[in-house]
Amino acid sequence: DIQMTQSPASLPASVGDRVTITCRASETISTFLNWYHHKPGRAPKLLISAASTLQSGVPSRFSGSGSGTDFTLTITGLQPEDFAIYYCQQSYTTPPTFGQGTKLEIK
Amino acid sequence: EVQLVESGGDLVQPGRSLRLSCAASGYSFEEYAMHWVRQVPGNGLEWVSGISWNSGDIAYADSVKGRFTISRDNAKDSLYLEMDTLRTDDTAFYYCAKGDTKGLDWFFDLWGRGTLVTVSS
Repeated sequence: DIQMTQSPASLPASVGDRVTITCRASETISTFLNWYHHKPGRAPKLLISAASTLQSGVPSRFSGSGSGTDFTLTITGLQPEDFAIYYCQQSYTTPPTFGQGTKLEIK
Repeated sequence: EVQLVESGGDLVQPGRSLRLSCAASGYSFEEYAMHWVRQVPGNGLEWVSGISWNSGDIAYADSVKGRFTISRDNAKDSLYLEMDTLRTDDTAFYYCAKGDTKGLDWFFDLWGRGTLVTVSS
């Protein structure tokens, strides 16, 4: 299985900050990389697919980049609703696998 | 409203069975693949199983193969997961998730809120 490693595991930040979360795949996955946002008790939400394609309705402060094995999710101008857990996921091959999550928390 | 709603989670003893359901609404259920993804409380996400639009293509994670059975009823806009021979390490929130195409693709563009399965004696 392809292993997905996210960093950091925890990211303290303030409203208005710019933050970056990284995700590394154990082997090349082209741009088959997706980012999700999850608040416990709520439904996870797809933010970005194919490494950089913003989903409909997702604010433009979210952006994604990368290809091969290294990827980043950037949030520019954090809003209160952005404090949650973020997961990357490879959709290159079965089984699809997720990173362990990055908890974005209020500083 | 486009949504997925899971049900059927419960406390069960090891070795017993449980059936989860997922009701879809607000979109053409029969036109998309569907999946189950689980999350052990406090841990990350693990894909469990997926099924294509017409049930012609089905896949399972190695950890559940031979014990879990995924199915769907397009007439009822519903997805199911039959879980047999449950183990304590099956304890998790189980999420229903929608694929992006008819075939088994591997990303999930709509999720439910999950249902909790607890396996304990």
